[in-house]
Amino acid sequence: EPEVTQTPSHQVTQMGQEVILRCVPISNHLYFYWYRQILGQKVEFLVSFYNNEISEKSEIFDDQFSVERPDGSNFTLKIRSTKLEDSAMYFCASSGTGNYGYTFGSGTRLTVV
Amino acid sequence: AQSVAQPEDQVNVAEGNPLTVKCTYSVSGNPYLFWYVQYPNRGLQFLLKYITGDNLVKGSYGFEAEFNKSQTSFHLKKPSALVSDSALYFCAVRELMNRDDKIIFGKGTRLHILP
Repeated sequence: EPEVTQTPSHQVTQMGQEVILRCVPISNHLYFYWYRQILGQKVEFLVSFYNNEISEKSEIFDDQFSVERPDGSNFTLKIRSTKLEDSAMYFCASSGTGNYGYTFGSGTRLTVV
Repeated sequence: AQSVAQPEDQVNVAEGNPLTVKCTYSVSGNPYLFWYVQYPNRGLQFLLKYITGDNLVKGSYGFEAEFNKSQTSFHLKKPSALVSDSALYFCAVRELMNRDDKIIFGKGTRLHILP
């Protein structure tokens, strides 16, 4: 069964550093998403992406965040200057036309120290 | 805007007993409803979904959920719980309004199955 792949599985970074979280969505999917889960808590929507542009973003997704689909297969989330409160599990998801559900990746655990 | 509520932070059930994890939703139009499960230190796994059709939806691992439009509920159920069902369960709703939309998750319910 097709999967959404996320790398790395765990990343530790110092506060103020830039991080890039990578995702490879399912190949024929057109809609892409990032969600965040602070340890054991609610899964929160960050951003949706379609046709090479952001469709919607939440209040969490401020100017420190950006997304990109650089090469037609990868979908990245960049945090420009990480803060301690950015420590969370970040999930990528993708969805196809007529597919009402999302397929989630296994997540990247980001730890900011 | 859509929303989803899971009124229980934790549910404890003895192994072999039936289990129910509650979920209610709020949308303007027709809801698309989902249940996901998260095992410790793992990602989100899809369990089942309701889009249209039969109100009783069957999913993975013997789970099922019943869509009740009048009560705006989508409770997750299993006839006989296993210890391995212990995990964090998320109800989610999606409301198709534009070319794109998003799934909104409930806060999650931790299910403990007691041996």
